[in-house]
Amino acid sequence: GENVEQHPSTLSVQEGDSAVIKCTYSDSASNYFPWYKQELGKGPQLIIDIRSNVGEKKDQRIAVTLNKTAKHFSLHITETQPEDSAVYFCAAPYNFNKFYFGSGTKLNVKP
Amino acid sequence: DAGVIQSPRHEVTEMGQEVTLRCKPISGHNSLFWYRQTMMRGLELLIYFNNNVPIDDSGMPEDRFSAKMPNASFSTLKIQPSEPRDSAVYFCASSRQGTSTDTQYFGPGTRLTVL
Repeated sequence: GENVEQHPSTLSVQEGDSAVIKCTYSDSASNYFPWYKQELGKGPQLIIDIRSNVGEKKDQRIAVTLNKTAKHFSLHITETQPEDSAVYFCAAPYNFNKFYFGSGTKLNVKP
Repeated sequence: DAGVIQSPRHEVTEMGQEVTLRCKPISGHNSLFWYRQTMMRGLELLIYFNNNVPIDDSGMPEDRFSAKMPNASFSTLKIQPSEPRDSAVYFCASSRQGTSTDTQYFGPGTRLTVL
């Protein structure tokens, strides 16, 4: 089955700096990798995703990179802002449409 | 679009009582997922439905847990009898087709506290 490991568990950066969160997965058949942001008291919300036929995807200050050979993918947030403070989860599919979620990264952006 | 709707948002009950959590998926979505989130175990899939039919309930922890989806716009997760270790945030999510490349959209969750 799939196994997803996420690092770091907590990340503190200064406003304006970049933040990088990394995930590794085990199932080489996995072909879709979403990233979710969860704010306090809310459900996880999709912020960006990548499919296995591309190596990188950008959306304004957020980017995701995928290395299928090494089985890892990363979330990059540039020019961080206080409103980026939240818990971020990576996920990878297994079986037909089930997802394993990483353990989460608590990002704190200090103003 | 209203998004996934869950009720209640908070539930406090006593051990042994029955608890029913409710979910309305996004209109037009064919798959529905129930998750449980705890500090210890993170986000765990409990059960998912495709076209109102339960496909995989291997994540349901015990027979005390049951889920139904009587129609495309409503699902319930029931715990009977509830125990303190069931305390968690329960999320419902839906997706269009339920495939491995299909985005899941989460509701706001129900925070359950069993005393």
